[in-house]
Amino acid sequence: EPEVTQTPSHQVTQMGQEVILRCVPISNHLYFYWYRQILGQKVEFLVSFYNNEISEKSEIFDDQFSVERPDGSNFTLKIRSTKLEDSAMYFCASRGQGQGGYTFGSGTRLTVV
Amino acid sequence: AQSVTQLDSQVPVFEEAPVELRCNYSSSVSVYLFWYVQYPNQGLQLLLKYLSGSTLVKGINGFEAEFNKSQTSFHLRKPSVHISDTAEYFCAVSPISGGSNYKLTFGKGTLLTVNP
Repeated sequence: EPEVTQTPSHQVTQMGQEVILRCVPISNHLYFYWYRQILGQKVEFLVSFYNNEISEKSEIFDDQFSVERPDGSNFTLKIRSTKLEDSAMYFCASRGQGQGGYTFGSGTRLTVV
Repeated sequence: AQSVTQLDSQVPVFEEAPVELRCNYSSSVSVYLFWYVQYPNQGLQLLLKYLSGSTLVKGINGFEAEFNKSQTSFHLRKPSVHISDTAEYFCAVSPISGGSNYKLTFGKGTLLTVNP
């Protein structure tokens, strides 16, 4: 069964450093998403991406965040200058046409120290 | 905007007992409804979804859910649970008229713990 692959599974970074979280969506999917889950809280939408541009972003997704699909297969989330409150599990997801349900990756646990 | 309320943060049950995990939602537009499961150290796996048609939806691992539009609920049930069902369960909705986005709004999750 096709999978969404996320790397790394766990990343520890110092406050103020830049991090890039990587995702390989399912190959024939067209819509891509990042969600995050702060420990003990609900999963929150960050951003959706379609046709090489952001289609929607939440108020969490400020200027410190950016997304990119650099080579037609990878989908990355960059945090320019990490803060302690960015510590969370970040999930990538992709979707084909229609609402058949997303396929989520297994997540990257980001710890900012 | 949508919101999802999962009334129980934790539900402990004994093996082979029935279980119901409750989910209520609020939305100004029609929505699709989902249940996801997250096993320890794993991602979110789709259990079942309601898009249209019969309000009783069957999913994987013997789970089912019933959509009740008048009560804006989508409760998840299983008649007999196993130890392996221990996991976090998330209810989620997305607007039907989502354009290309179909953004998901999640509840806070219910931790189901099945004891021997």
